[in-house]
Amino acid sequence: KNQVEQSPQSLIILEGKNCTLQCNYTVSPFSNLRWYKQDTGRGPVSLTIMTFSENTKSNGRYTATLDADTKQSSLHITASQLSDSASYICVVTLTGGGNKLTFGTGTQLKVEL
Amino acid sequence: GAGVSQSPSNKVTEKGKDVELRCDPISGHTALYWYRQRLGQGLEFLIYFQGNSAPDKSGLPSDRFSAERTGESVSTLTIQRTQQEDSAVYLCASSHTGGGNTGELFFGEGSRLTVL
Repeated sequence: KNQVEQSPQSLIILEGKNCTLQCNYTVSPFSNLRWYKQDTGRGPVSLTIMTFSENTKSNGRYTATLDADTKQSSLHITASQLSDSASYICVVTLTGGGNKLTFGTGTQLKVEL
Repeated sequence: GAGVSQSPSNKVTEKGKDVELRCDPISGHTALYWYRQRLGQGLEFLIYFQGNSAPDKSGLPSDRFSAERTGESVSTLTIQRTQQEDSAVYLCASSHTGGGNTGELFFGEGSRLTVL
């Protein structure tokens, strides 16, 4: 069964600190990997999209990395802000496109003063 | 429109009633997805429309669920004879191409359904 596993399930950090969220997947064959941010009560918003040939992609204070050999991705958040409090979702796409997106259950991040 | 629009944003209904949820995708987006998100859970795929092709209905959980889309415009998700386990947020997303390519998915804010 194709799966996307995220860790930790939840995380609390102090404002200004950095953090790294993990995503391990078994989806194969792999096309691309996305990270989404979902604020409470809102729809997910895309942060990064990486194809299998890309190792890293940045979007402001967010940097995603991908190791297609080990099937691992990470999302690093630098100098966290209170507004970073949200669920971060890893999404992996099978080759072939269409509807074949597999969503992780997300990491719930809370940034505190 | 500027983004994906969903309505209603909140719906409370009694068990056994039918509900209809609406999604207005971004103009020009050929692909449209419906997902279900139960509290604290990940997104579950329900149905996928791509242009005028036959929709992929493989994620619909039962025959009480159905969806329609006319061309590349509005889509409606209908749940008949609602059950308490149908309570969830129903999210719609659209994409310029099939989302399985690197086409970015744009999500609406969701319709929160509560079945009493």
